[in-house]
Amino acid sequence: QKEVEQNSGPLSVPEGAIASLNCTYSDRGSQSFFWYRQYSGKSPELIMFIYSNGDKEDGRFTAQLNKASQYVSLLIRDSQPSDSATYLCAVNPGFQKLVFGTGTRLLVSP
Amino acid sequence: SAVISQKPSRDICQRGTSLTIQCQVDSQVTMMFWYRQQPGQSLTLIATANQGSEATYESGFVIDKFPISRPNLTFSTLTVSNLSPEDSSIYLCSTLPPGQGFNYGYTFGSGTRLTVV
Repeated sequence: QKEVEQNSGPLSVPEGAIASLNCTYSDRGSQSFFWYRQYSGKSPELIMFIYSNGDKEDGRFTAQLNKASQYVSLLIRDSQPSDSATYLCAVNPGFQKLVFGTGTRLLVSP
Repeated sequence: SAVISQKPSRDICQRGTSLTIQCQVDSQVTMMFWYRQQPGQSLTLIATANQGSEATYESGFVIDKFPISRPNLTFSTLTVSNLSPEDSSIYLCSTLPPGQGFNYGYTFGSGTRLTVV
């Protein structure tokens, strides 16, 4: 079992819709969780981090964490074509390192 | 947050040669990290570099193949040695923003796209 799993996609949504991206992790001791966005040919950029169970909102983005289910999600409201990218889930299992999932490619059509 | 300048942005190298990648941070940082992103894959941590000590390598990565230098708190290099086509990847350096805890996540350099022919 991979440490961090994501559906590779592509996830296709129309402009204005809600995009829901999901991630599961295997290490119950994981402490913090991150969502990165990576445009093609570019380096990852941090969108959000979360370390407490529940929801965390920042603008159009909401991260959700359920440690009991070992599940992290990212919701993007009012999706825009500029949101089209690969979204990487990353988990801190401790020791100040991050383990990344393989990413979900999101396509937002006008 | 920290800004990382990484170079070269891309290179094409002959097999058997080496490539050294440089990362310069605009502020002093304790830890720097080197990642590899193979085509269509996610990021895999190669090693963690602290100033003044040997780098710590992840399973599957060895110092002879990926020597790292960390001469000061703003600079690090990664060398990929004895290149083979399997080394064709994007290599990224990253660090933690100074003055912020780990929970604020990593900042990444712009990446080096290496093609081995």
